[in-house]
Amino acid sequence: DVKVTQSSRYLVKRTGEKVFLECVQDMDHENMFWYRQDPGLGLRLIYFSYDVKMKEKGDIPEGYSVSREKKERFSLILESASTNQTSMYLCASSLWSGPEAFFGQGTRLTVV
Amino acid sequence: KNEVEQSPQNLTAQEGEFITINCSYSVGISALHWLQQHPGGGIVSLFMLSSGKKKHGRLIATINIQEKHSSLHITASHPRDSAVYICAPSLGNYGGSQGNLIFGKGTKLSVKP
Repeated sequence: DVKVTQSSRYLVKRTGEKVFLECVQDMDHENMFWYRQDPGLGLRLIYFSYDVKMKEKGDIPEGYSVSREKKERFSLILESASTNQTSMYLCASSLWSGPEAFFGQGTRLTVV
Repeated sequence: KNEVEQSPQNLTAQEGEFITINCSYSVGISALHWLQQHPGGGIVSLFMLSSGKKKHGRLIATINIQEKHSSLHITASHPRDSAVYICAPSLGNYGGSQGNLIFGKGTKLSVKP
């Protein structure tokens, strides 16, 4: 079974903190994605990566950065967390050839 | 502009009812996922299909690529089917700036005993 594992299910952070959300996949997938999910807005793409050290901005990259130093790991970084970044964050991965995607269990982040 | 339209947004059904959720999209795609999300957040892919029909237990998914439409059916619905169902077409531009999935806003299904 393909596994996409997010490091935390629930996180509470303070405004201004640097926050790291980690995602690991075990199927040697080239593509990895970070989404956030908000009521009424659905899932929106923050960043994605199609190879080690490669990254592309999605629809809402402002306030976020990413890191992909190893193929299996894709990190989402909030440099200075703000309350409007309180959300559910989902990681996904897929082969370069696609199209089947696999999702992590989500991280519910609350910034206070 | 919404590239993926799902209907209905909310659906309440009695246990045993036949349920249909519809998804229309306006872009060219290579395949389409139906996703299920239970309270607590984790998303599970129920189906990925690029043509015709797939069946898994009480769930059936169909797609008509020419009409840019897909449906998810649940036969003999059960309270444990209560979840949000999300339609997610897969774009063909892997490595492009939009990533490879776009999403409907989801259908919140509640099945009452």
